[in-house]
Amino acid sequence: NAGVTQTPKFQVLKTGQSMTLQCAQDMNHEYMSWYRQDPGMGLRLIHYSVGAGITDQGEVPNGYNVSRSTTEDFPLRLLSAAPSQTSVYFCASSRFSSQFIPNIQYFGAGTRLSVL
Amino acid sequence: KNEVEQSPQNLTAQEGEFITINCSYSVGISALHWLQQHPGGGIVSLFMLSSGKKKHGRLIATINIQEKHSSLHITASHPRDSAVYICAALSGGSQGNLIFGKGTKLSVKP
Repeated sequence: NAGVTQTPKFQVLKTGQSMTLQCAQDMNHEYMSWYRQDPGMGLRLIHYSVGAGITDQGEVPNGYNVSRSTTEDFPLRLLSAAPSQTSVYFCASSRFSSQFIPNIQYFGAGTRLSVL
Repeated sequence: KNEVEQSPQNLTAQEGEFITINCSYSVGISALHWLQQHPGGGIVSLFMLSSGKKKHGRLIATINIQEKHSSLHITASHPRDSAVYICAALSGGSQGNLIFGKGTKLSVKP
């Protein structure tokens, strides 16, 4: 099993450019999520999905779009990159527990994004 | 004010010591996660708790829902335990809205 695969590992953008961070999992997990990690701020949830066709906002959704057309894929789109979006981005996935809440999460290796 | 608070922020221990990291939250939650982030940046999920206690090897996690508090214990600590430990609370009534603490940086000296 590949687990959770994030691409690219590194990316440099200019202000105003758009790009998509890819996230794929091969574990048939219902729950997928995107986080950003900034120095001194810790991890913060951007968007999450509890199944194909269902997405919701986390703590810091502004400037980001997501979609979940398949169980496996959960891309994160930056439509017009800003320097404030310079960060390390992590994707994660998990099964639901018996209480229908996210269980142990599996994380991708992260994407280091710089916006100039 | 962050709704999930961890203490201490930094912790230095000698190999073999018993370590406790604390997590307090102000929101009603349905579960709490403990994560480990290695010095290289990779993140590993350790536990998901909704009540009581869980144990995996030398790691023990406990949660007291009424007191809104969780602890992560490491017995017989080892230098390879050096990492940042992060707790994350799942907001009550939400299926996926996780709120994170800022992490506790643990350094275990040989």
